[in-house]
Amino acid sequence: AQSVTQLDSQVPVFEEAPVELRCNYSSSVSVYLFWYVQYPNQGLQLLLKYLSGSTLVKGINGFEAEFNKSQTSFHLRKPSVHISDTAEYFCAVSVTGSSASKIIFGSGTRLSIRP
Amino acid sequence: DTEVTQTPKHLVMGMTNKKSLKCEQHMGHRAMYWYKQKAKKPPELMFVYSYEKLSINESVPSRFSPECPNSSLLNLHLHALQPEDSALYLCASSQGRGASNEQFFGPGTRLTVL
Repeated sequence: AQSVTQLDSQVPVFEEAPVELRCNYSSSVSVYLFWYVQYPNQGLQLLLKYLSGSTLVKGINGFEAEFNKSQTSFHLRKPSVHISDTAEYFCAVSVTGSSASKIIFGSGTRLSIRP
Repeated sequence: DTEVTQTPKHLVMGMTNKKSLKCEQHMGHRAMYWYKQKAKKPPELMFVYSYEKLSINESVPSRFSPECPNSSLLNLHLHALQPEDSALYLCASSQGRGASNEQFFGPGTRLTVL
């Protein structure tokens, strides 16, 4: 079965510092991977996605992620964070079912930015 | 129009009440989803509609009843809920039901059951 593991439940960083949020997946078939962000009291917003092709994926708000098949990882990075990046970040894998696909989310990583 | 709207934003109901949550999208998407999200947890899938037909029911209790009247609307009817059903209910849509389709999420309805 496909699953996603986010290794850090909380990541505190100082403003303008770089950050990496870690995500590992397990799958025996082709994977479609996503990073979503959830700001306080809001729904989820797609940051970026990996479907195929280039392993370095660029997303919105200066975020990027690298798909690493040998390490089964899809870590999210940003070279310089801002206070506005404070949010919950979810790594997710999309699973194809017999009738419809569904997304399996990781447990989430809370990114807190210190001034 | 690239957004999913949900009404109401907040809902407080008693255990004997009947209420409905509404979700709407005008992106021409043919798959729509209901999720339940408890505090500090990831969203949990409840239902998937594909081309207005229920495709996935993740063993959700019958006190939650989904309805898809047309390709733009998705309702969740609530009846005889329990306090543990209090959560953020998120609606999402995607262009199709394939795994490569990203899902667009609404802002959610925060439900409190007294």
